[in-house]
Amino acid sequence: AQTVTQSQPEMSVQEAETVTLSCTYDTSESDYYLFWYKQPPSRQMILVIRQEAYKQQNATENRFSVNFQKAAKSFSLKISDSQLGDAAMYFCASRYGNKLVFGAGTILRVKS
Amino acid sequence: DTGVSQDPRHKITKRGQNVTFRCDPISEHNRLYWYRQTLGQGPEFLTYFQNEAQLEKSRLLSDRFSAERPKGSFSTLEIQRTEQGDSAMYLCASSPPGSGVEETQYFGPGTRLLVL
Repeated sequence: AQTVTQSQPEMSVQEAETVTLSCTYDTSESDYYLFWYKQPPSRQMILVIRQEAYKQQNATENRFSVNFQKAAKSFSLKISDSQLGDAAMYFCASRYGNKLVFGAGTILRVKS
Repeated sequence: DTGVSQDPRHKITKRGQNVTFRCDPISEHNRLYWYRQTLGQGPEFLTYFQNEAQLEKSRLLSDRFSAERPKGSFSTLEIQRTEQGDSAMYLCASSPPGSGVEETQYFGPGTRLLVL
């Protein structure tokens, strides 16, 4: 079975600083996709970034980038130049067949 | 593109009552998913539709739960004889046609259920 582990229940970052959220996963699939979703308080979940496992190059989306270490089954999210609007719950997820398997989430607090 | 919508956004019910939630996916998205999210946890998969066919159901979906997508457009999730343990956020997601694995799922705002 697919499992996704986020070992940091909560993280804090100063506005304009950089923060990295950790995620490890376990899969027996040879080709798979990994995702980071953001869920602001009382608002819907939105996709932040996704990574295709067969691609060597780490995905980037503006201030968001990932460090994908396939051998280590690690998929961390780096947020640069943190903004107040980045405060949210962040979920790491792996695509497993037709469904997404999510980690427990990391609450990110941004201090002004 | 108006996004995935869900109705109602909040529902309070008494134990033993039946409840029904509705999800309207993004137009032209033929794949629809239901997830359940309890407080402080990540969403857990419940069921998956491709068009009107329900192709996968989680073991979390007990006999009291039923989901339909009669015309391949909107979907309903019904919980019969609700229990306090059913209290959670019920999320709907949709994704466009494709080979499947790489397709991004777009989530709705969820229906928060409280069973008293």
